[in-house]
Amino acid sequence: KNEVEQSPQNLTAQEGEFITINCSYSVGISALHWLQQHPGGGIVSLFMLSSGKKKHGRLIATINIQEKHSSLHITASHPRDSAVYICAVGFFGNEKLTFGTGTRLTIIP
Amino acid sequence: DAGITQSPRHKVTETGTPVTLRCHQTENHRYMYWYRQDPGHGLRLIHYSYGVKDTDKGEVSDGYSVSRSKTEDFLLTLESATSSQTSVYFCATRGTSERGETQYFGPGTRLLVL
Repeated sequence: KNEVEQSPQNLTAQEGEFITINCSYSVGISALHWLQQHPGGGIVSLFMLSSGKKKHGRLIATINIQEKHSSLHITASHPRDSAVYICAVGFFGNEKLTFGTGTRLTIIP
Repeated sequence: DAGITQSPRHKVTETGTPVTLRCHQTENHRYMYWYRQDPGHGLRLIHYSYGVKDTDKGEVSDGYSVSRSKTEDFLLTLESATSSQTSVYFCATRGTSERGETQYFGPGTRLLVL
């Protein structure tokens, strides 16, 4: 069964802290996605990774294929980063994604 | 922003009635998806489409049907709504951006079945 586990489920931090959110999956994948969902409900794609690392502004996503693990890092966190961060994985020959349950991040000013 | 709209955005209906949700996209993306989002669960795929008139089931397809007669429109129908179908429904498309293959999501439809 293709399972996606995220940790932690909830994370509260002070503004300016370095944030790490983790995603583990159980079988080989073709790609891993990180998504952001703000309190209003809209979902935005942040990254798609198949190997290595990607950076966009203060966000960094890494993936270790051998360990079946990905991390999303936020540097210099800000209250506007408060959102639910969702990991999703895709599999070779399969057009569907399997989603984790999300990590709720709250950044306190 | 792939120009994905969903209608209606909110709906309250009664058990047993049929309900149709509409997803409209302006980017000519081939793949379209319907998901539901419930507390304690990740997004779960209901149905998806890989082209006009080409659809397939997802993991939670029972009680739902879909149709895609045009590239830009993907309809989700609850044939006889039940309270267990109270949820937030998201439509998504798959496209390519400078970040690689990307899923673009609509704003969601909140459905309450009484």
